[in-house]
This record gives sequence, C-alpha cells and structure tokens, in this order.
Amino acid sequence: NAGVTQTPKFQVLKTGQSMTLQCAQDMNHEYMSWYRQDPGMGLRLIHYSVGAGITDQGEVPNGYNVSRSTTEDFPLRLLSAAPSQTSVYFCASSYRGGTTDTQYFGPGTRLTVL
Amino acid sequence: DAKTTQPNSMESNEEEPVHLPCNHSTISGTDYIHWYRQLPSQGPEYVIHGLTSNVNNRMASLAIAEDRKSSTLILHRATLRDAAVYYCILLFFGSSNTGKLIFGQGTTLQVKP
Repeated sequence: NAGVTQTPKFQVLKTGQSMTLQCAQDMNHEYMSWYRQDPGMGLRLIHYSVGAGITDQGEVPNGYNVSRSTTEDFPLRLLSAAPSQTSVYFCASSYRGGTTDTQYFGPGTRLTVL
Repeated sequence: DAKTTQPNSMESNEEEPVHLPCNHSTISGTDYIHWYRQLPSQGPEYVIHGLTSNVNNRMASLAIAEDRKSSTLILHRATLRDAAVYYCILLFFGSSNTGKLIFGQGTTLQVKP
C-alpha cells in the first residue's frame, strides 16, 4: 500500500497561473479531503468528497475547484493563483469519513505563489 | 463545532512520560475526542480516539475525565521522534460535520535528550 500520495512535492507559480495538485489513495477509501496549512497554523479544510461524483465545500473553498471522477483520485485545481494561496496543501482519506474512522494524510505539496 | 483548548507548548525529557492536556468544556454527549500529531515537515497522523472510557493503543493512552470536559494524551516514554505538534479534535457523531477535522493550533511538544 502506498497510502495517500501527492504530486508535486513543491511548486512555484506566478500570480494568475492555474495548476492542479494531484492526490491519490490506494486504500479504497470513500472519503477524501483537502486541507491547507499556513505557517504556524493548524490545518483548514478546503473541500471534501464522500464518494465518486460527490464533493462539498469546507471552511476555505474560495479560489479552488475539485472533482471526484474515481474513488482513487481527488485533484485540487487552483483557477488563478494568488499570493494568499501560498501554503502547504495536504490531502487526506478515510474509509467513509465516519467520526471513528482514521484519516490518513499525504506528505503535502508546498506551493509558493509569486 | 465544539472547541478545544490546549497549551501552546510543552517540554519533556527523553524516556519520561508526557501528559498533554486538552480542555473541551462545551463537549456534547456524542462528540468523539481525537488526537492527531504532526511531525516536522510531514502530514498529520492519527494517534488515538475515545468517547467516554480511557483508551490505550501502541502509541499512547487517552485518559478522559468523568465529566468529559477534559482529556489527557499520555505518551508513556517520550522519544526524540515524539517531538511534534499534537492536536486535540472533537468530532460529532452523526452530524453533517462527519469526517471534518477542525484543527486548532495544537501543542508543540519538545523532547530533550
């Protein structure tokens, strides 16, 4: 099991550019989510999905899009990058997102927007 | 979402026990108490969770107060590898918040050799 994988590990963008952060899991988990972590802060939820074809907004969704066409993949799209989106992005998955389900996190993507 | 309060930082000596406190005075009867930790430059990892009874696993123990308004994560013998930020999180059973981990700032644990 590779667990939760994220690509790329590092990315530098210019303001206004778009890009997609990739997230994949091989544990057949229904629930997947994206968080961002700013320096010295806890993680904040961006978007989440309870299964293929179903997504919903988290705490800080503005400027990001997601889709879930397969159980394994949950990409995060930045439509027009802004310096305020400079952060470390973590993807997570769990069996069904239940309150006793363990959430597994990926290693993160460190994004800098100039 | 019910809130948790944790000290910003704590220090421990290697091979000594560590007690990390968490206050959650507004906890409801069906809120689960979860602990995650984040090692430097890594994603968070699950540590332990509980509802009412004390819980043990290979990583740690969770002691929950009888009134559930506070809990303590216990690392029995701290190692240098346990230096991390520890997050205490409440998850409400059965609400639309299912699966949403709401992270606070956590407690930064420093372990001295």
